Amino acid sequence: AQKITQTQPGMFVQEKEAVTLDCTYDTSDQSYGLFWYKQPSSGEMIFLIYQGSYDEQNATEGRYSLNFQKARKSANLVISASQLGDSAMYFCAMREADSNYQLIWGAGTKLIIKP
Amino acid sequence: DAEITQSPRHKITETGRQVTLACHQTWNHNNMFWYRQDLGHGLRLIHYSYGVQDTNKGEVSDGYSVSRSNTEDLPLTLESAASSQTSVYFCASSGGIDPYRPGQGSHTQYFGPGTRLTVL
Repeated sequence: AQKITQTQPGMFVQEKEAVTLDCTYDTSDQSYGLFWYKQPSSGEMIFLIYQGSYDEQNATEGRYSLNFQKARKSANLVISASQLGDSAMYFCAMREADSNYQLIWGAGTKLIIKP
Repeated sequence: DAEITQSPRHKITETGRQVTLACHQTWNHNNMFWYRQDLGHGLRLIHYSYGVQDTNKGEVSDGYSVSRSNTEDLPLTLESAASSQTSVYFCASSGGIDPYRPGQGSHTQYFGPGTRLTVL
């Protein structure tokens, strides 16, 4: 069974609109971490945001926020006021408590921002 | 500034040749990882290391080896390159101290710029 599911292979969004990229996860651990990475067309993997399972508040980093719904096992990335430079692949990943620091990766969502 | 680098950035080789991809990090991270990224497969873990002299196999380790003789470097060797090993290779590192968010021990993996390897 997939441990990280990103159901949107691709999305088109108008510039300046907010974007929500979906990520659901499956784990029986109580302690885990969730990560989002951005991969622009230039190829580098850029860390965006992290949410720990015990964090009481949703993580935020500038225009990025993580809508963490623990009971639903979802960790959606929200990008406010999208910009053309947000066009990229976005990957959700999870680290479980007994994973020895390894990450489980989703398949990614390709986001295209339209001018 | 501390960082993680990979070399070469692009490499073309022939089948059967031995190839070594370098990865160097200056964050003093204990954990280092090698991934390959192919269309339709996302990121797949090749090998990883939790410290000097420690190496472990990932899900796609056949045909690859690593060695960790110091904290900073984890070179990836393709013993006898095959066309199926044409891919983009990423190195990543993580540790208890996050270089960009002091005080947060999330063990976030930070990635190098990648190496595009073509095996002809």
